[in-house]
Amino acid sequence: ETGVTQSPTHLIKTRGQQVTLRCSSQSGHNTVSWYQQALGQGPQFIFQYYREEENGRGNFPPRFSGLQFPNYSSELNVNALELDDSALYLCASSPDREANVLTFGAGSRLTVL
Amino acid sequence: AQSVTQLGSHVSVSEGALVLLRCNYSSSVPPYLFWYVQYPNQGLQLLLKYTTGATLVKGINGFEAEFKKSETSFHLTKPSAHMSDAAEYFCAVSDRTTGTYKYIFGTGTRLKVLA
Repeated sequence: ETGVTQSPTHLIKTRGQQVTLRCSSQSGHNTVSWYQQALGQGPQFIFQYYREEENGRGNFPPRFSGLQFPNYSSELNVNALELDDSALYLCASSPDREANVLTFGAGSRLTVL
Repeated sequence: AQSVTQLGSHVSVSEGALVLLRCNYSSSVPPYLFWYVQYPNQGLQLLLKYTTGATLVKGINGFEAEFKKSETSFHLTKPSAHMSDAAEYFCAVSDRTTGTYKYIFGTGTRLKVLA
């Protein structure tokens, strides 16, 4: 079975720009969660999508938005980038909404200059 | 609210020595607890999990953890460290109180294995 794949792996943006990160969930998984991991920190929950609908959101501003597609892949969009948005963005999928076990991708490392 | 505290941001052990990484949690409901490992420039890999049942949980690569409700702890151990164990380790609790089932992670412990 294929795991969780994320793209791009690395990218550099400047303040004020917009970015889209992509995630393909593991086969058979219908739930995708996004986490932000700042340098030296643990991952912080951004939001979760279940069957194409947002199923909960962490303490992130509205300029962080997402989508889940019918094939359960997902996008994370961040508008008006700030320096503090520099982080590793992790996508995780699970076979059900209860997310008892998350399978993580390798992440997209975003640097904002 | 759920929370996780990992004591010791950096731990060094000699190769062959016992590994002990500490994790304490706070949870208003019976917790689901996890340990993940992260190697440089990689995502998180599940080591082991506790949901219900036996309190001593065995995971991959020789790691195990014991859920102690009275101590609100879920410490990770390995009898004999290998050089390949050098990585960052994260303890997490599943927040199942809001219907979102998100994970709350600790700040991580970086394990260094000395030759």
